[in-house]
Amino acid sequence: NAGVTQTPKFQVLKTGQSMTLQCAQDMNHEYMSWYRQDPGMGLRLIHYSVGAGITDQGEVPNGYNVSRSTTEDFPLRLLSAAPSQTSVYFCASSYYASGFQETQYFGPGTRLLVL
Amino acid sequence: GENVEQHPSTLSVQEGDSAVIKCTYSDSASNYFPWYKQELGKRPQLIIDIRSNVGEKKDQRIAVTLNKTAKHFSLHITETQPEDSAVYFCAATLTGNQFYFGTGTSLTVIP
Repeated sequence: NAGVTQTPKFQVLKTGQSMTLQCAQDMNHEYMSWYRQDPGMGLRLIHYSVGAGITDQGEVPNGYNVSRSTTEDFPLRLLSAAPSQTSVYFCASSYYASGFQETQYFGPGTRLLVL
Repeated sequence: GENVEQHPSTLSVQEGDSAVIKCTYSDSASNYFPWYKQELGKRPQLIIDIRSNVGEKKDQRIAVTLNKTAKHFSLHITETQPEDSAVYFCAATLTGNQFYFGTGTSLTVIP
């Protein structure tokens, strides 16, 4: 049981480049989400999903796209990277059912540097 | 939507003393309140959580209390140790909705 995995661990991009951050979980969790964390700041939600085929925007969705074709995978796409997207990105997943929510389990994070 | 405020932003305590971190939330429908610990360079990890049908929960040196009427919940760490030094985040959510996080408390335990 690997939990939540993220790739890559570290990435350097040039302004304008695009890339996909991968996230996968093997716990059969319906709920998955992407956060960014900037130095000295908390976790800001980018997008989240409550199941395959369902996604919704969080607090800071601009410049990012997501899709959820399977329960296991929730990739985050940067369409045209900007220096303001330099951050640490965390993917998380949790179990939820009608009337019951469990905690989120976080992946190890991806450090992104946009030059 | 929900709004979670967390205080204090920094906290220093002597080893062996207690530490208390408080969070308030705005949406009375929120029903799940986890606390996460994040060590430098690592991922946030759950340390304790509480649901809206419970007023208090304890796990060894860590406890969480919830006051639904006042819409606030608190993390209590007793007999603090240097390894408790980290950033702590509170969060609130309603089942199936997004998690709303506080801005974090940097706890330093002085040996």
